[in-house]
Amino acid sequence: SAVISQKPSRDICQRGTSLTIQCQVDSQVTMMFWYRQQPGQSLTLIATANQGSEATYESGFVIDKFPISRPNLTFSTLTVSNMSPEDSSIYLCSVEDREETQYFGPGTRLLVL
Amino acid sequence: AQSVAQPEDQVNVAEGNPLTVKCTYSVSGNPYLFWYVQYPNRGLQFLLKYITGDNLVKGSYGFEAEFNKSQTSFHLKKPSALVSDSALYFCAVRDISNYQLIWGAGTKLIIKP
Repeated sequence: SAVISQKPSRDICQRGTSLTIQCQVDSQVTMMFWYRQQPGQSLTLIATANQGSEATYESGFVIDKFPISRPNLTFSTLTVSNMSPEDSSIYLCSVEDREETQYFGPGTRLLVL
Repeated sequence: AQSVAQPEDQVNVAEGNPLTVKCTYSVSGNPYLFWYVQYPNRGLQFLLKYITGDNLVKGSYGFEAEFNKSQTSFHLKKPSALVSDSALYFCAVRDISNYQLIWGAGTKLIIKP
């Protein structure tokens, strides 16, 4: 299975600022996903990020608020822009391997004050 | 519409007893089904999956799940629970139309000594 790391693991930010979350994979993968999760609750998909194409955003999520980069097959970033307390959440990246299984990073815990 | 249901918010089991965490699904076509576990303050870990083949699938940490097409279920089971199995468990089904995972609400499993 792929080994995925995320930076930062947690952060406390002021409203109106932006935070960029990094996701690094130890192998080349085509499909990467960004999720949001409230503690103890289910996952909500933000967007799918494939290398070489624009990210595809789910309903309720827009590129201006959550810009995503996917410069190569092992790396992606998610930026949470102009943050408000409602953005406080856990942000997870995942990758899909060739056997159609998603593996997840450890997550980034974000608190916006 | 494709969906996944985990009818129990919480399951309590005594250590050493068998455990079952329930999952039912509604999909068009053949389902790809997954179980993930999330330990406190950790990312999601893949446990097992069913795509095709034997209805009984074995996974990590002694867990197994049985695919039942007639009942559209994919219940997670373990013959003898450990206190360390206490965690949040998610069932998911892969949407073949867009390769995304559709997630259940999650079931909190509590194993009491």
